[in-house]
Amino acid sequence: DTAVSQTPKYLVTQMGNDKSIKCEQNLGHDTMYWYKQDSKKFLKIMFSYNNKELIINETVPNRFSPKSPDKAHLNLHINSLELGDSAVYFCASSLQARRTGWSYNSPLHFGNGTRLTVT
Amino acid sequence: DQQVKQNSPSLSVQEGRISILNCDYTNSMFDYFLWYKKYPAEGPTFLISISSIKDKNEDGRFTVFLNKSAKHLSLHIVPSQPGDSAVYFCAASSSGANSKLTFGKGITLSVRP
Repeated sequence: DTAVSQTPKYLVTQMGNDKSIKCEQNLGHDTMYWYKQDSKKFLKIMFSYNNKELIINETVPNRFSPKSPDKAHLNLHINSLELGDSAVYFCASSLQARRTGWSYNSPLHFGNGTRLTVT
Repeated sequence: DQQVKQNSPSLSVQEGRISILNCDYTNSMFDYFLWYKKYPAEGPTFLISISSIKDKNEDGRFTVFLNKSAKHLSLHIVPSQPGDSAVYFCAASSSGANSKLTFGKGITLSVRP
């Protein structure tokens, strides 16, 4: 069984369109994340949700809007797509004690990524 | 500002020999370090970690060494196997509320049969 699953795996779209990427985890984790891997290969955090509450929001354009309907799901909606949004987007989950930060016994579990290509 | 640096983009070793992957960091607040392994078209998977209270952690063929004074850590794989060929990411985090993992850009390891 896939622990962290995200769909679609590939997404090709034109500039200006709106698209969504879905993520689900069945690990019972309470924290979910979106990471972006750009052309320079760095994995950079975009958002983090703990029990459906936004706890990390890096300097990401407000065209990106995460939504967490429950703690097992974290979707990413992107409005008005731009060429620079082309990247691989990874969803991840972990256990994290919100007030004390990292749970050292629970590293991130990643999905297999969504390759977004904006033309 | 790259807080986690993996300066060598690639490494090629012979099967059976040791692979040494290096990582440097600049943020002295980092106190927990992890290595992730990534195959093509898959997400990164957790490999091994080390807390700043230790200088070595071993798990089977994988050993991570931490040198806090030099802000340097390394991953040793002994013996290397062709299945180890992948991209290896170093990551670091500080403790405290809402801390986050900061990743390096990865090293591509190729193990030749």
